[in-house]
Formats: sequence, C-alpha cells, structure tokens
Amino acid sequence: SYELTQPPSVSVSPGQTASITCSGDKLGDKFACWYQQKAGQSPVLIIHQDSKRPSGIPERFSGSNSGNTATLTISGTQAMDEADYYCQAWDSSTVVFGGGTKLTVL
Amino acid sequence: QVQLVESGGGLVKPGGSLRLSCAASGFTFSDYYMSWIRQAPGKGLEWVSYISSSGSTIYYADSVKGRFTLSRDNAKNSLYLQMNSLRAEDTAVYYCARRTGAGNFDSWGQGTLVTVSS
Repeated sequence: SYELTQPPSVSVSPGQTASITCSGDKLGDKFACWYQQKAGQSPVLIIHQDSKRPSGIPERFSGSNSGNTATLTISGTQAMDEADYYCQAWDSSTVVFGGGTKLTVL
Repeated sequence: QVQLVESGGGLVKPGGSLRLSCAASGFTFSDYYMSWIRQAPGKGLEWVSYISSSGSTIYYADSVKGRFTLSRDNAKNSLYLQMNSLRAEDTAVYYCARRTGAGNFDSWGQGTLVTVSS
C-alpha cells in the first residue's frame, strides 16, 4: 500500500522559516494537500493541489511538490502556528495521510 | 456556513456495534462526496471510508472493510457509518468531512469519540 512519510517533529524559532516534508513514491505525480490540527481541534485544510491556499489561510503558508517530496513551508512562523501538520494524497481511489509532524515554535 | 455535526459515539464492548451520524448544513449536500476519517488517541489521521455524491460508489480502508458500512440520505442531508464487530483498535475520534473535487477535505466536523473496551 502507498505510504507518505513525514518527520515526527520540527522545531523553529519565531519569525524563522519552517519546512515540513512529506515523502512518497512519485508523489510529484499526484496532488498533495496539507492540514493543520491544533490541540483539541479538528483539522483545517491549509494547502490543496500542491500549492493553493484556501481563502482565509495566511500567505505565510506555501506548498510545493516535485519528485518524491511535497513540502509545506511556513515563512515568518508565529507562535500560533504551533500544531500538528498532516499531508494527504490519493492512491488508487483511496486516501492516504502522512503520519503527521508536530511543529514546535520556541 | 458549512456545518458538519457528528453524533452516535460512545462506549461499546468488543464485538459490538455502533452507528454514527453526520448532519450537514450550509451547502448542497447532494453535490459532494463525503468521508469518515478517524484519529486514535494521540495518533495521526486515518481515512476510513468515502461515498460518492449519489451514494453509488463507496470505498473503505482495508482496516474496516467487511465490518463498516457507509451510507447517506441526501433528502435528510445526512451521512451514516454503521460499525459492526468493533475492536479495541477502532477506538478513535471519528470525523465527518466534505471532499472537494480536487480530492481534499475542506470542511470537518468536531468529531465523535468511539471507545471500544470491555
């Protein structure tokens, strides 16, 4: 079965750039999207179709996808961005989520 | 605005059954694919099942195939998940989510907790 691999944790200082990767076989040939989940809340879609931001999502969130890796980039990271982040893609009519990355802003 | 409200969760013994419901409002329910996604305590997201807008196409994760049944009633703007032969590993918060044409989930409910324990 298809797998998406994310680093379990990423740390970043306030104001700096955070990058979270999501790896899967030929992931660049699929669309990837990203969700943010803050503690005790439901997930929120923050990037879809590799790099598109839904309305209301700050410009500091951006995405890319090429080769075997999709990347979520948060520029000028703020304390409020501390959360779990999940990538998601489709494979053979089934949905696949990455294992999630805990972003710590310290 | 889009609203998805899950209900039906609770404590059930291993081998038991439970039926989850998701009430949708704020959008034309019959236009959208819908899905259930779960999250075990302290764990990541796991896709469970999705259903096409008409209900004619349904897919399940291997982990629930043969035990869970997904259905919808477009007249009632509702999504259902019948869960049978429940196991401890089915313990999770179950989210109802709306799927867009691009294949992502743009709206999620607040979730309902299912606990399978003796």
